[in-house]
Amino acid sequence: GAGVSQTPSNKVTEKGKYVELRCDPISGHTALYWYRQSLGQGPEFLIYFQGTGAADDSGLPNDRFFAVRPEGSVSTLKIQRTERGDSAVYLCASSPTASGGTDTQYFGPGTRLTVL
Amino acid sequence: DAKTTQPNSMESNEEEPVHLPCNHSTISGTDYIHWYRQLPSQGPEYVIHGLTSNVNNRMASLAIAEDRKSSTLILHRATLRDAAVYYCTSRAGSYQLTFGKGTKLSVIP
Repeated sequence: GAGVSQTPSNKVTEKGKYVELRCDPISGHTALYWYRQSLGQGPEFLIYFQGTGAADDSGLPNDRFFAVRPEGSVSTLKIQRTERGDSAVYLCASSPTASGGTDTQYFGPGTRLTVL
Repeated sequence: DAKTTQPNSMESNEEEPVHLPCNHSTISGTDYIHWYRQLPSQGPEYVIHGLTSNVNNRMASLAIAEDRKSSTLILHRATLRDAAVYYCTSRAGSYQLTFGKGTKLSVIP
């Protein structure tokens, strides 16, 4: 079946611009996560949705970052006034439920964001 | 979630077993140990998880120390397709995975 998909696969923007990154989770998965991965590092948690609501946004680095999931399926990560330090691969993952310790997260291929 | 420590890199010959270690000395009694791997230019992929006893699945085995302060991911016969960065992570009540830098596994033909 279809896995997690993310669009675009690559995004190049200029400093100060606004960008939106889209995630299509696996159908029926209620939990959705966003992570950010810098070169040579492991993924870093940004935000977690359970259904339509953001259950934990403690990983968002500042108020330039915002994410929505209005219908409990597709999610959009929005970054305002982009900075060069925002350049990274943005990963989305989904899981069937959010059972804490045991659920498996399925990751998409990521969106590579480059801020010039 | 507990901090995990892994070697930066390891090498293995093709067709031989690989033992990837992980230390998680601050793990609590309810933390699950999860392993993911990341192939080049892809998102992480689930490998295996466990709590106390050893676990096996079609991809790998997970050996958990009796005191749960360390674990070892075992690939029984390494193939070239197993070359990846392997991440050990623990999860308790929190839902997000906390990744370290992982171990980069190279497989030599």
